[in-house]
Amino acid sequence: AQSVTQLDSQVPVFEEAPVELRCNYSSSVSVYLFWYVQYPNQGLQLLLKYLSGSTLVKGINGFEAEFNKSQTSFHLRKPSVHISDTAEYFCAVSERAAGNKLTFGGGTRVLVKP
Amino acid sequence: KAGVTQTPRYLIKTRGQQVTLSCSPISGHRSVSWYQQTPGQGLQFLFEYFSETQRNKGNFPGRFSGRQFSNSRSEMNVSTLELGDSALYLCASSLVAGVQYNEQFFGPGTRLTVL
Repeated sequence: AQSVTQLDSQVPVFEEAPVELRCNYSSSVSVYLFWYVQYPNQGLQLLLKYLSGSTLVKGINGFEAEFNKSQTSFHLRKPSVHISDTAEYFCAVSERAAGNKLTFGGGTRVLVKP
Repeated sequence: KAGVTQTPRYLIKTRGQQVTLSCSPISGHRSVSWYQQTPGQGLQFLFEYFSETQRNKGNFPGRFSGRQFSNSRSEMNVSTLELGDSALYLCASSLVAGVQYNEQFFGPGTRLTVL
C-alpha cells in the first residue's frame, strides 16, 4: 500500500514571493505522481503530473514540481504567487498497475497575502 | 465539452436515512471513480466503475455502494447514514481504466450533511 505525506498543512506567503509545497510518498511499486488544486466549493483540478522521463515537470499556472526518486519526494514550486493561487493543494499517487485509484496527501492550504 | 456533473450539489439528511448521489461523466468517458473528502480523514477513495463493473474498492463499510449504468452514469448509495458520513463526495471520470495513465477529471462534488 502506498501513502502520501504533505509536510505542511498551511503555508502563508506574500504575493509575488516564491512558494514550495512539500510532498513525500511511500510505495513498494512504481507510481504516477500528481498535484491537484482545489478552490473553495469546487472539485479538484490537475496542476501537473509525473509519469516518467524528465524529473522536472511543468504544469499549469506557472507551477512546476521535481520528482526525486531517492528521497521519494515530489515537491511543488512556484517562483511568484498571485492572490488567485490561494487554495488547497493536494499531492497524490497512483500505482502504475492499479488503474485510476488515487491516494492523496492531507493537503496544504496556501494563503497568499497582499 | 461539458465537464463532470454531480447532482445534487447539496443535501441534508438525518441519521438512519439513506442517500443516493449521481455522477454524469464527460461524454465518451467510461470510467467513474468516487472519493469522500472530510476534514478529519481527507480525500479517500471509495470505488471505481468501468463498463458497469466495479473495478476497485476502498476501505469503506458495506453501507457504501455504487453502480454504473450502460451510459456510464454512476450512482453511489449510502444506507443507514451516520453523522460521520457528512462529507464532500467527489466523482471523477476518465476515458478508460487500465494500467496506462488516464487523466481523471473531477466534478464539483456533492456536499452531504447528516444531522
